[in-house]
Amino acid sequence: DTEVTQTPKHLVMGMTNKKSLKCEQHMGHRAMYWYKQKAKKPPELMFVYSYEKLSINESVPSRFSPECPNSSLLNLHLHALQPEDSALYLCASSPGQGRTQAFFGQGTRLTVV
Amino acid sequence: QQQVKQSPQSLIVQKGGISIINCAYENTAFDYFPWYQQFPGKGPALLIAIRPDVSEKKEGRFTISFNKSAKQFSLHIMDSRPGDSATYFCAASRSGGYQKVTFGTGTKLQVIP
Repeated sequence: DTEVTQTPKHLVMGMTNKKSLKCEQHMGHRAMYWYKQKAKKPPELMFVYSYEKLSINESVPSRFSPECPNSSLLNLHLHALQPEDSALYLCASSPGQGRTQAFFGQGTRLTVV
Repeated sequence: QQQVKQSPQSLIVQKGGISIINCAYENTAFDYFPWYQQFPGKGPALLIAIRPDVSEKKEGRFTISFNKSAKQFSLHIMDSRPGDSATYFCAASRSGGYQKVTFGTGTKLQVIP
């Protein structure tokens, strides 16, 4: 199983809503990532979890709140988003332990209205 | 110093032709150079990757050429097919427990029949 599974695939939310994005991998990877990708742009790193601990926060606004309940799951909690937060949100994982190959999920297309 | 410069921004190639995408990096600490292929609405998929101890790596129709002294690397797609039409991102990172991947700006490839 070399898949990173993200749910939902599409999400439309209002600026006052609270929603969560979910990511799951069963490859035994110990590093998990959230990226944000705007149209025609490369993915931008948001957060990195290594061994279930937050290792990198790329100065992401607090309306985005990551959570890593266990080594297979990664959540991104969303609250009070702005229309400019509309983007493709990508989850990725990598083995850690010096091995750098990263696998990406299919992404969640988020629209904030 | 963290940038990865990628060119061209877009590329149109005849079916059967060779597609060439170039990248240059600045940070000499980078030691892992993957290429990702991304179709519209999908997450990036790892295509091929190289480490700086080799000058070339070939996998099927895809070849990475690496010039360590010039800090440049390129992707060659031989016998290009319409199904190769996608956006290609070069990337660079450092080995370690987790990786912060620095992406190039992307090349939109269109292979015409």
